[in-house]
Amino acid sequence: KQEVTQIPAALSVPEGENLVLNCSFTDSAIYNLQWFRQDPGKGLTSLLLIQSSQREQTSGRLNASLDKSSGRSTLYIAASQPGDSATYLCAVRGYNNNDMRFGAGTRLTVKP
Amino acid sequence: NAGVTQTPKFRVLKTGQSMTLLCAQDMNHEYMYWYRQDPGMGLRLIHYSVGEGTTAKGEVPDGYNVSRLKKQNFLLGLESAAPSQTSVYFCASSYWRGGAGELFFGEGSRLTVL
Repeated sequence: KQEVTQIPAALSVPEGENLVLNCSFTDSAIYNLQWFRQDPGKGLTSLLLIQSSQREQTSGRLNASLDKSSGRSTLYIAASQPGDSATYLCAVRGYNNNDMRFGAGTRLTVKP
Repeated sequence: NAGVTQTPKFRVLKTGQSMTLLCAQDMNHEYMYWYRQDPGMGLRLIHYSVGEGTTAKGEVPDGYNVSRLKKQNFLLGLESAAPSQTSVYFCASSYWRGGAGELFFGEGSRLTVL
């Protein structure tokens, strides 16, 4: 059974800092990995999707990397802003599963 | 495009009552999912569907039923609500995984069972 872990559970940084969020998974036979953002009381917004054949994806100040062999993905946020404050979740889709397994998320606070 | 739409957004039930949550997507996605989100437990899959007329159990299916009579709609039913079903429910959809498989979510339905 695929297990997805996100550490730390919460992170607080000053505005302007570059930061890295971590996601690890136990089964490396994945089809893709997706990073989401969730604001309080809202749904999940897709940030980046990395296919198993890719090493990284970039969108604006966000960069996500994937290392299947070590079962890890990182989400890099450059020049953080207070508007980046939210919970960030990663999810993996396995080759043998029709669903995606989620981590519990990292709650990010960026202080002005 | 509206994307994924869930109704209702809020609902309060008494123990033993029944209700249905409706999910509609306008992206012509084959796959549809129902998740529940509870504090400290992340999102857990309840049921999913890989196409019209099909349904399958996820990680926590007990106490729920689903139907997919039309490709664009996926219904989640609670026949006899229990306080343990107090949660936020999210519907999601995606193409068949051969088409990238990116997951798109609705805004959620907050259910309280008294």
